[in-house]
Amino acid sequence: QQQVKQSPQSLIVQKGGISIINCAYENTAFDYFPWYQQFPGKGPALLIAIRPDVSEKKEGRFTISFNKSAKQFSLHIMDSQPGDSATYFCAASLHFGNEKLTFGTGTRLTIIP
Amino acid sequence: DTAVSQTPKYLVTQMGNDKSIKCEQNLGHDTMYWYKQDSKKFLKIMFSYNNKELIINETVPNRFSPKSPDKAHLNLHINSLELGDSAVYFCASSRGQPSTDTQYFGPGTRLTVL
Repeated sequence: QQQVKQSPQSLIVQKGGISIINCAYENTAFDYFPWYQQFPGKGPALLIAIRPDVSEKKEGRFTISFNKSAKQFSLHIMDSQPGDSATYFCAASLHFGNEKLTFGTGTRLTIIP
Repeated sequence: DTAVSQTPKYLVTQMGNDKSIKCEQNLGHDTMYWYKQDSKKFLKIMFSYNNKELIINETVPNRFSPKSPDKAHLNLHINSLELGDSAVYFCASSRGQPSTDTQYFGPGTRLTVL
């Protein structure tokens, strides 16, 4: 019930292309869906987050698409750049109190010139 | 100016030893966390404290004991270290609720148990 499944495990995209990472969840009570970005040797950092009252959220080149009926959400990185090479984690949580953030398994993204 | 700091950055030790990792945040946050990231990059919460009170305690061996002397500090003590404890341990903090407030992670402590 608390799992968040993330795919692909690794992704190689050419510079300028679109990177797409997908996540699926089981618990229909989840109502907060952040994405964290982690560079090698660093801790994860919040990239962008969405709540289920909207189907899409865009911040610069990063967009979250959310499909409530399918219990899926995805991260799209437009015009991917070598500096976007990192590990990306989706996550989900219940919107009350002391519920933990459940992370996906991570996607290692490599942008090649 | 570091928001969430951890010491040490690297820790190499023998099986059976006891070790501690320290964490401090200067963001004025009420909630702090310990996460374990294994070699496959899986990120799993271990503990969370809010204003020095334990609020999340995942299924973690009781060899791991967190301690929060004040809301700006959360230390992790590990007894009788095992090979499987080798991982990167991240401290994090958030303003309030673990569920929806942005979590700010420290740089991590890479623990290697030989």
